[in-house]
Amino acid sequence: DTGVSQNPRHKITKRGQNVTFRCDPISEHNRLYWYRQTLGQGPEFLTYFQNEAQLEKSRLLSDRFSAERPKGSFSTLEIQRTEQGDSAMYLCASGTGGVNYGYTFGSGTRLTVV
Amino acid sequence: AQTVTQSQPEMSVQEAETVTLSCTYDTSESDYYLFWYKQPPSRQMILVIRQEAYKQQNATENRFSVNFQKAAKSFSLKISDSQLGDAAMYFCAYRSARYGGSQGNLIFGKGTKLSVKP
Repeated sequence: DTGVSQNPRHKITKRGQNVTFRCDPISEHNRLYWYRQTLGQGPEFLTYFQNEAQLEKSRLLSDRFSAERPKGSFSTLEIQRTEQGDSAMYLCASGTGGVNYGYTFGSGTRLTVV
Repeated sequence: AQTVTQSQPEMSVQEAETVTLSCTYDTSESDYYLFWYKQPPSRQMILVIRQEAYKQQNATENRFSVNFQKAAKSFSLKISDSQLGDAAMYFCAYRSARYGGSQGNLIFGKGTKLSVKP
């Protein structure tokens, strides 16, 4: 168990470009969550997978955002046509859900859109 | 919709002293979980302590304990014998205990920045 891994750690991109982040959860965790954290705020829920099924998307997840979790393993979060307002820390967390109610977070990917 | 409020943007404590961080929440549900997470600068978020709403006994983890007041919807964190390594952002979070697609995510407060003075 190496924890939740996120790559890259930092990403600087020009406005209008597409970016993709990757999250590798703890292998036995069937639930995977993406959160966004802006400066001075707590994390905000974006989307949630149970195995390969994307079960919920927040209204924060605009049409420019898409997330996948093929085969229920790693997950990717893609942002198309990035805007300056997308600058934030993107956090991934995994867990087993059910009665195991805590999650393990990754270190996050910090996105800066210039 | 559930909300979590942390009214103390910043707190400071002397090393070896005790500090209490406040958290209130709003929900119409009777069964849920509450958490305190610690986020050190540029490091990952770590679970500090959790509380099941159906348990009356306050959770304790070493130097960390909570004061859970369900009727008042209050969930404060007490850190005893504060250490320099306790300096971090602390987030209070809520999670519904109901199953289903919308019930697994955490709802966070805005956080409290804790400084520990040597």
